[in-house]
Amino acid sequence: QQPVQSPQAVILREGEDAVINCSSSKALYSVHWYRQKHGEAPVFLMILLKGGEQKGHDKISASFNEKKQQSSLYLTASQLSYSGTYFCGTANTGNQFYFGTGTSLTVIP
Amino acid sequence: KAGVTQTPRYLIKTRGQQVTLSCSPISGHRSVSWYQQTPGQGLQFLFEYFSETQRNKGNFPGRFSGRQFSNSRSEMNVSTLELGDSALYLCASSLGGTDQETQYFGPGTRLLVL
Repeated sequence: QQPVQSPQAVILREGEDAVINCSSSKALYSVHWYRQKHGEAPVFLMILLKGGEQKGHDKISASFNEKKQQSSLYLTASQLSYSGTYFCGTANTGNQFYFGTGTSLTVIP
Repeated sequence: KAGVTQTPRYLIKTRGQQVTLSCSPISGHRSVSWYQQTPGQGLQFLFEYFSETQRNKGNFPGRFSGRQFSNSRSEMNVSTLELGDSALYLCASSLGGTDQETQYFGPGTRLLVL
C-alpha cells in the first residue's frame, strides 16, 4: 500500500522547475507532502483533500486527482533551499498513513 | 509551543537485546505515530496511538510494540533486536490523528544494532 514516487532523484539548476509524482493503488482520502533535509526530521509542506483542489505555498504547489489516485508536487523557479528528500504520504481508511520511498531533489547553483 | 521530542537521539545495541524509545508529542496532541526509516525503504508505518489505545498497526513483527500514557507520551519497544532493525525511528504527533491534519515529526532516534 506504499505509494510510488517518481522520479527517485532529480538534479536541478537554480531557477529550473521540477515535478514529483505520487501514485497509489488504493483509493485515497488525502495526500500529504513533506520535505526532509539530511539529518533532520520531515517538515510538513501541504495537505490535499479529495476534490482535486490544488494548493500552493510560495513557489511550491500540488494537485490531487482522486480518480487517478495520484498527486503531483510542482516546484517552480527552484532555490537552493529546496534541496532535500520529498515524501508523499497517503491516507486511506483507518487514518493509516503510508509514505512513499521519497524523491531526492538537489538544486545546484 | 515545544516541538516533538524523542529520546535518546542515538543508540547502539547488540543483536538479541531489547530497546525502548520515547516520544513526547506537542502539548495538546493526542495522536502519536511511529515510523521506521531506512535507506531505500523510506518511511514505514509502525503504529499509531490515540488516547492510550493503539488504533492502527503497520506490517511489522510482534517484536515491535508500543504504548501511550495518559499524558500522550509514547514509548516504542523492540525486543530481540536484529541487524535489520538498524534505522532511524521517527515519531509524529497530531491533534486527533485524522487524515486531514498535519503530522509534526520529532528529530528521531538513530538505532544501530551490531
